[in-house]
Amino acid sequence: EVQLVESGGGLVQPGGSLRLSCAASGFSFSNFWMTWVRQAPGKGLEWVANIKPDGSEKNYVDSVKGRFTISRDNAQNSLYLQMNSLRAEDTAVYNCARGRATDFWGQGTLVTVS
Amino acid sequence: DVVMTQSPLSLPVTLGQPASISCRSSQSLVYSDGNTYLNWFQQRPGQSPRRLIYLASKRDSGVPDRFSGSGSGTDFTLKISRVEAEDVGVYYCMQGTHWPGTFGGGTKVEIK
Repeated sequence: EVQLVESGGGLVQPGGSLRLSCAASGFSFSNFWMTWVRQAPGKGLEWVANIKPDGSEKNYVDSVKGRFTISRDNAQNSLYLQMNSLRAEDTAVYNCARGRATDFWGQGTLVTVS
Repeated sequence: DVVMTQSPLSLPVTLGQPASISCRSSQSLVYSDGNTYLNWFQQRPGQSPRRLIYLASKRDSGVPDRFSGSGSGTDFTLKISRVEAEDVGVYYCMQGTHWPGTFGGGTKVEIK
């Protein structure tokens, strides 16, 4: 069974940093692109970043470029999102999802910037 | 970015009756490989999104066959043939053809 479990969210002040993690199991993690998607409270969905299976290609939405860094550790079956210079508008539930087609999602971790 | 426009915003439906959601993109979603990377998601209250449809019309494993996707180019539709109580939630379309992937604003399906 595919499982994705996010962690690392919390309350942080504007300008602060957080590192989110996503633990993957039930599939061959090293063979899949991985994606971070966020959802602000009561709002819609926004694609944040994705990363190629070997980590050689990373893509970011313009609003997070230069502030967020996506990375992965295939030996640990883990995906990460380092978030720096956080702003109030980054407040959201952050989900990791498998693939560029996002066929499986985790339950998400809440990041509150205030 | 590609803008995805869904309608209606809210869809009250009687149990057992059909429902239809429209999604339009600001650009063609046909990729250079010939595929159309259009997904449909269901988000039940308090849950993460679940993918129902990929490549515009292919149903994910375990998705009831009352859900169907159709369309091409810039116009797409999600249909529920007979709405059941468990179908309550918000439905989103999402395009993955152009970077960044973008989502529609969502359609809230509720029971009358």
